[in-house]
This record gives sequence, structure tokens and C-alpha cells, in this order.
Amino acid sequence: GNSVTQMEGPVTLSEEAFLTINCTYTATGYPSLFWYVQYPGEGLQLLLKATKADDKGSNKGFEATYRKETTSFHLEKGSVQVSDSAVYFCALRSLYGGSQGNLIFGKGTKLSVKP
Amino acid sequence: EAQVTQNPRYLITVTGKKLTVTCSQNMNHEYMSWYRQDPGLGLRQIYYSMNVEVTDKGDVPEGYKVSRKEKRNFPLILESPSPNQTSLYFCASSSGRTDTQYFGPGTRLTVL
Repeated sequence: GNSVTQMEGPVTLSEEAFLTINCTYTATGYPSLFWYVQYPGEGLQLLLKATKADDKGSNKGFEATYRKETTSFHLEKGSVQVSDSAVYFCALRSLYGGSQGNLIFGKGTKLSVKP
Repeated sequence: EAQVTQNPRYLITVTGKKLTVTCSQNMNHEYMSWYRQDPGLGLRQIYYSMNVEVTDKGDVPEGYKVSRKEKRNFPLILESPSPNQTSLYFCASSSGRTDTQYFGPGTRLTVL
């Protein structure tokens, strides 16, 4: 079946540090890949996405590249801010493997950025 | 403003007392879904609906019911809540199954 594995947190960084949150996936076919962000007390918001191999999604200084050869979609940001403190979820959508196009989420990684 | 609303936002109840969590969207979306979020488990889908009167089970449907009588509303029903249903619940909607999903603010449910 389809699944997403992301690095466990929490991750604590100082402001302006470089961020990487690892995400790998198992999927039948060629899934679309997503990063969602959940700020404290709020619902999830789509941060970025990529729909095919070698695509790079980017938004608000965050980037992730769809790597088919390593089945990965790592999230990166060059210089984090306190306002980036949130929980980040990697997710995939595949029309195969039993999930029928529904989103499959990783467990989430909590990021805390200190001033 | 385009949004997904959920009510109530917080609920404490007792085992066996039927409850309903409402979800409403104002974007004319066809696809709606319920998730529960638990520490260390991420988000897991409970039920989803492709359109009015069309619903299907997600990954963790046991103990839950849903209905979709109108396009904008997708209530989650717990006929006989149990403590293992204590969780944070999110409703989401999208134009279609493969489109970007918009999430509600969440409902924190505690079953004693």
C-alpha cells in the first residue's frame, strides 16, 4: 500500500538556521506529493506540492523536489524565522494502491524556531 | 470569505452519549472528508464524500457515521462515543478528490 515516512521531531532551530525535514514515500504508480503546514491552533494549509518526478514545489521560501529515484520529497528552507514554528506534514496522493486518490499523511514533524 | 467551518471547536462528553460534529463549506466543493489527528499517528481519514449522497469509508471508519444530504454540509456522527475516540478532528473540502483540500479549524473532542 501507499505510505509516507517523515523524520520524527521535534526539531528545534535558531532563527536563520537551515531547515531540512526528510520525507520518503512508498506508492504504487506515480503519486503527487505535498507538504502541509499546521500553525498552532489552526487547521492544515497546503504549503507546496509537486505532481511529477523532478518537479520542485516552492512557497514562502520553502522548497521540495520530487525525487523518484530515491522516493523522497524533503522539505528545505535556507533561513527559518520564528513565524515558521509549526507542524509540517508530508503527504501523497495516488490513484493506485488502495488509497483511491485520497491523501495519505505522514505523522508530522514539529518545528520550533528560537529567536 | 472562502472557508470550512466546524462546530463545536471543543467538546467534552461522556461515554455513550451520541454527538454530532458539524462541518460546512461555502466553496461549492463536491469532495469532503473527515480526519482525526492523534499524537505520533498524524492524520488518518475517517470518511469521505465525493458528492451529495455519496460517502465511503476511509482508513479508520469504525465507530463513526456520516451523511451528505446537502453539498455544503458533511456532519460526523458518533452514535456511542468511547474514550479511544478522544482526538482532534478536521473536516476538509475540495473541488474534486485530486484538488487542493481546504481544512477547517479542528474540533477537539474528549470522551470521558
